[in-house]
Amino acid sequence: KAGVTQTPRYLIKTRGQQVTLSCSPISGHRSVSWYQQTPGQGLQFLFEYFSETQRNKGNFPGRFSGRQFSNSRSEMNVSTLELGDSALYLCASSDRDRDNEKLFFGSGTQLSVL
Amino acid sequence: QKEVEQDPGPLSVPEGAIVSLNCTYSNSAFQYFMWYRQYSRKGPELLMYTYSSGNKEDGRFTAQVDKSSKYISLFIRDSQPSDSATYLCAMSAPGGFKTIFGAGTRLFVKA
Repeated sequence: KAGVTQTPRYLIKTRGQQVTLSCSPISGHRSVSWYQQTPGQGLQFLFEYFSETQRNKGNFPGRFSGRQFSNSRSEMNVSTLELGDSALYLCASSDRDRDNEKLFFGSGTQLSVL
Repeated sequence: QKEVEQDPGPLSVPEGAIVSLNCTYSNSAFQYFMWYRQYSRKGPELLMYTYSSGNKEDGRFTAQVDKSSKYISLFIRDSQPSDSATYLCAMSAPGGFKTIFGAGTRLFVKA
């Protein structure tokens, strides 16, 4: 079974630009979560989607948004990028419809904002 | 106060040592307790998964959950240089659709 795939692997943007990151979950997983990881703050929860519905959201500004498609693939978007948005963005899929909290992570997208 | 507290380390031990990693938490609704291992430039991978209280053993790894003290531990026996990584505790509540992570403890096992 293929793992969680995130694209692109690396991204360099400038302040004010916007960015879209993509995540393909493990086949059969309908829950996709997004996390931001920085050295100072660790792993911070962004949002979780299940069957195209956002079920929970972390404490991030509205510039961070996401969506999930009918095939469970997910995208997250960050608009008006700030220097502080530089981080590793991780996507995780899960079998949550069976009350299973095991998360399977992709390798992440390393975003650098200059 | 953070929901999950974990000492970031770093923790340095000689090969063969027993390693003890710990986390405390404040939310009594947490029922799922996990440990993830993360190597440099990789995503976290699930190491141990426990529901509610008790102990769980898998090879050289033992996870313990003490819900009365809101304290979880991961023990690594006969540590190897390949165990050098960041270890993250994680927890979630039923129906919460959100997993909270500790800051992660950086472990170095010296050959």
